[in-house]
Amino acid sequence: QVTLRESGPALVKPTQTLTLTCNFSGFSLTTPKMCVTWIRQPPGKALEWLARIDWDDDKLYSTALKTRLTISKDTSKNQVVLVMTNLDPADTATYYCARIFSPGSYHIDYWGQGTLVTVSS
Amino acid sequence: SYELTQPPSVSVSPGQPANLTCSGDKLEDKYVCWYQQKPGQSPVLVMYQDNQRPSGIPERFSGSNSGNTATLTISGTQSMDEADYYCQAWDSRTAIFGGGTQLTVL
Repeated sequence: QVTLRESGPALVKPTQTLTLTCNFSGFSLTTPKMCVTWIRQPPGKALEWLARIDWDDDKLYSTALKTRLTISKDTSKNQVVLVMTNLDPADTATYYCARIFSPGSYHIDYWGQGTLVTVSS
Repeated sequence: SYELTQPPSVSVSPGQPANLTCSGDKLEDKYVCWYQQKPGQSPVLVMYQDNQRPSGIPERFSGSNSGNTATLTISGTQSMDEADYYCQAWDSRTAIFGGGTQLTVL
């Protein structure tokens, strides 16, 4: 059974750094073609893709946010971490981690429940 | 940068077909997938590789992708299909989401 669970602070002050952790089970990021990705969704707004890390440690980032994002993995702990710097109230959103295991189309087949992060002083 | 455009809202009567569109430049050259999101829930994959239905998704959901437009069709729309729908594709190592369509069944 594949599960993903996001964790991190619920409240962050502007200019601070956000660290989100995705703990997953039911699959391994050492499996060829396996990926974990992060997506966010501001309240009442659309989904926005942030980053992806692949089984071979290839890392992809949103063009708009790449200077502020770092994604990493710890395969021994079944964890993926996303770090976002210089937070702004516009970064207030529900942050999802999700699995991709579909060579070719790279669609998301499993999503976490999401974690709401509010950026406010 | 690449963009996917979806109509903000679509309304359909129960039992009627709903056609949700997603437009992008030469979209037929890319694989498109669709996610359904109900209020307070995480998105759920309802279509991938343009026209492939994941297991557990009802047969009334179908997909196509031609030219600049991908379409998710729900035949015989039911009240349980009321949700936001997002299309998504990859362009130059970047995932792109459409702005989403709110489907209302009334």
